[in-house]
Amino acid sequence: GQQLNQSPQSMFIQEGEDVSMNCTSSSIFNTWLWYKQDPGEGPVLLIALYKAGELTSNGRLTAQFGITRKDSFLNISASIPSDVGIYFCAGPNAGGTSYGKLTFGQGTILTVHP
Amino acid sequence: GAGVSQSPSNKVTEKGKDVELRCDPISGHTALYWYRQSLGQGLEFLIYFQGNSAPDKSGLPSDRFSAERTGGSVSTLTIQRTQQEDSAVYLCASSLVGLQTNGYTFGSGTRLTVV
Repeated sequence: GQQLNQSPQSMFIQEGEDVSMNCTSSSIFNTWLWYKQDPGEGPVLLIALYKAGELTSNGRLTAQFGITRKDSFLNISASIPSDVGIYFCAGPNAGGTSYGKLTFGQGTILTVHP
Repeated sequence: GAGVSQSPSNKVTEKGKDVELRCDPISGHTALYWYRQSLGQGLEFLIYFQGNSAPDKSGLPSDRFSAERTGGSVSTLTIQRTQQEDSAVYLCASSLVGLQTNGYTFGSGTRLTVV
């Protein structure tokens, strides 16, 4: 089935540092979604990307839809302790339907040291 | 309701017992999804409801797992004869009409521990 590969699997950084993570797929995606999961909570949508090459920002977060449509990047600038959590990329299931399940990457676990 | 509500938040059960997990989606959301998150793993799709029908139940891992949705609202995920490998966080999500491009809203999950 369709798979999304995220890297790195985990990151340990100092407060104030910038963070970069990415997500790749062997198949083309028409939409990329980035979610964050705080400890003990469900994932929350951060950014949605709909067009190849698109660059979208949400505060200190910036995400890009890769030009090949097979990858996406998420950057966090000037990290703070509340950025701790698991970050997931996600995309629609391939197969011609616009409805139904999303496929999620394995997640990147971010730890921020004060 | 204001968000997706799941109950119980935690459940400890003995191996071999049946469990029921409940999800209350956001009012008016026609699409509902169940995912499973094992320790250190990503989100594994289980089943998708559109209204009361389940057009995609391809992720249910065995016939011990079943789910239903009634009144286009509440959904129940049932696991029969639980096994230790069923221990995980079970997440429910809903969306307005099920368009994948809009993403979903997740509940906080039910943490199931089978001992």
